[in-house]
Amino acid sequence: AQRVTQPEKLLSVFKGAPVELKCNYSYSGSPELFWYVQYSRQRLQLLLRHISRESIKGFTADLNKGETSFHLKKPFAQEEDSAMYYCALMGRRALTFGSGTRLQVQP
Amino acid sequence: DADVTQTPRNRITKTGKRIMLECSQTKGHDRMYWYRQDPGLGLRLIYYSFDVKDINKGEISDGYSVSRQAQAKFSLSLESAIPNQTALYFCATSGTDGGDHNEQFFGPGTRLTVL
Repeated sequence: AQRVTQPEKLLSVFKGAPVELKCNYSYSGSPELFWYVQYSRQRLQLLLRHISRESIKGFTADLNKGETSFHLKKPFAQEEDSAMYYCALMGRRALTFGSGTRLQVQP
Repeated sequence: DADVTQTPRNRITKTGKRIMLECSQTKGHDRMYWYRQDPGLGLRLIYYSFDVKDINKGEISDGYSVSRQAQAKFSLSLESAIPNQTALYFCATSGTDGGDHNEQFFGPGTRLTVL
């Protein structure tokens, strides 16, 4: 069975501080992982995917197969980063989402 | 992103009533999904469809049914609504070609309250 775990429900940081949103997964095959973001009053949207190895809005995420992790990082948080973040794993046919972490960036 | 639309956006109903939530997309995607979002639980997959003739149960399909009327339309029905089906419901689509492969595009959500 596939599973995605986001251990933190809420992460509160000050503007300019580094951010790390944790994501661990369980999957027997070769994983394809994503981070989705939901800003206030907006629909869920893709932030980044591991196969692209890209940086979006200053965020990066590296797949660590040894630790089965896909943590989302940003060196300097901005107030506009405040949102709900979901880690997701693409299984054989569909996505499995984690329970989400709310990031609160305080001024 | 108006490519994926959901109706209604909000609905309040009573226990035992039959409810249908509708999803339409203009992205030309074959794959469509229904999720529910509950606080602290994230998004859980209810049903998904890879084309008009392919319907599959997700993680939490009990109490729900779906209909894929066309490539662009995927409806979710609650046959007899109960209060613990109160949630935010999302429709999503995905394609299979090029760079969009496996990326899901979400509708704005339908907030359903069952009294």
